[in-house]
Amino acid sequence: GQQLNQSPQSMFIQEGEDVSMNCTSSSIFNTWLWYKQDPGEGPVLLIALYKAGELTSNGRLTAQFGITRKDSFLNISASIPSDVGIYFCAGQLRGNTPLVFGKGTRLSVIA
Amino acid sequence: DGGITQSPKYLFRKEGQNVTLSCEQNLNHDAMYWYRQDPGQGLRLIYYSQIVNDFQKGDIAEGYSVSREKKESFPLTVTSAQKNPTAFYLCASSIDWRDGETQYFGPGTRLLVL
Repeated sequence: GQQLNQSPQSMFIQEGEDVSMNCTSSSIFNTWLWYKQDPGEGPVLLIALYKAGELTSNGRLTAQFGITRKDSFLNISASIPSDVGIYFCAGQLRGNTPLVFGKGTRLSVIA
Repeated sequence: DGGITQSPKYLFRKEGQNVTLSCEQNLNHDAMYWYRQDPGQGLRLIYYSQIVNDFQKGDIAEGYSVSREKKESFPLTVTSAQKNPTAFYLCASSIDWRDGETQYFGPGTRLLVL
């Protein structure tokens, strides 16, 4: 099936640093979503993007829907210890199709 | 308090046994989904249901079965035909299947085969 290339696979950063991760695809997507998963829990929706070029913030998180509709990025500013977890991107090709998930970016924050 | 519940949190199974994982939602969502998560693999879709009494196979349906007799319930059965069932199983739901709708996840069930 379709695949999303999510990078980096893992990150180790100092508390207070900014973080950037992205997802790319060879296909055009209508919707991009970003989720965070804490250990042993289900993913939680962070940001949803519906239009090419859209830039959306949620607190210290900012995500953008790429103009080509084939990519999206997520930025976290001034990281804190509770940002630790796995971040997943997900995309929907068109209506009536299942979401496609990236393999995740594992974030570790060093205090 | 609306949400998605999955039970149990941990489940142990002997080889050769079928086991059923529960997923219930009180969000009045039409669509429900089952995913499997393995380390480093992300989320892979097992089955999904757009509406009551209807369901579709996802990318890795072999060895699994589902039913959707009620809007709020979407149980997943892991059969003995599933060769490598040890994994973290996640259930999700969305308002409906139309373009752009987002999915909300339950807390997951970790299945261990002994």
